[in-house]
Amino acid sequence: ETGVTQSPTHLIKTRGQQVTLRCSSQSGHNTVSWYQQALGQGPQFIFQYYREEENGRGNFPPRFSGLQFPNYSSELNVNALELDDSALYLCASSFGGQGDGELFFGEGSRLTVL
Amino acid sequence: GDSVTQMEGPVTLSEEAFLTINCTYTATGYPSLFWYVQYPGEGLQLLLKATKADDKGSNKGFEATYRKETTSFHLEKGSVQVSDSAVYFCALNAIYGGATNKLIFGTGTLLAVQP
Repeated sequence: ETGVTQSPTHLIKTRGQQVTLRCSSQSGHNTVSWYQQALGQGPQFIFQYYREEENGRGNFPPRFSGLQFPNYSSELNVNALELDDSALYLCASSFGGQGDGELFFGEGSRLTVL
Repeated sequence: GDSVTQMEGPVTLSEEAFLTINCTYTATGYPSLFWYVQYPGEGLQLLLKATKADDKGSNKGFEATYRKETTSFHLEKGSVQVSDSAVYFCALNAIYGGATNKLIFGTGTLLAVQP
């Protein structure tokens, strides 16, 4: 069984640039969620995709957007990067849009914005 | 809105000591409650969960009981090991429009167990 994989693991961008982070969900899972974890904080929910559609969003501005593909992999796009976007971005997969909270997380993509 | 508050760390213990990490929550409705663990260099893993009041979740010697009257879900282990050193996150499942697996996490508690 293949777990959740994310790429890249680390990246550095400058303010105003755009970034795309990628996630492959665990085998058999059709739901992907994205979380932002700032240093010393708990993860914060960005949004969730179920069957290629966004079906829930946290308190993040529209410059955070995403996609889910037919194979259930996903992308997180962030436009017009700001310094405060520096964080660990976590992808989590699960089965079913109405989950029971049991998520399977990847190791994350650490974004540094200079 | 819904929130989770957990004790600040770091918590430093000697091997075989008793562990308690406090967690309280605020929520509308009846959320499920979780403890996730993040070992160094790894992603978060579900440690245990409880879905209704008075339920006890347990795994790997860790336990937590869903206390509705005190809105708490404290994590306990009778005898910690060096391998338990990690960051522990308490979380609740906010049912968002009935169709979202949105977890609200606490800030995490670093546990360091010394031999």
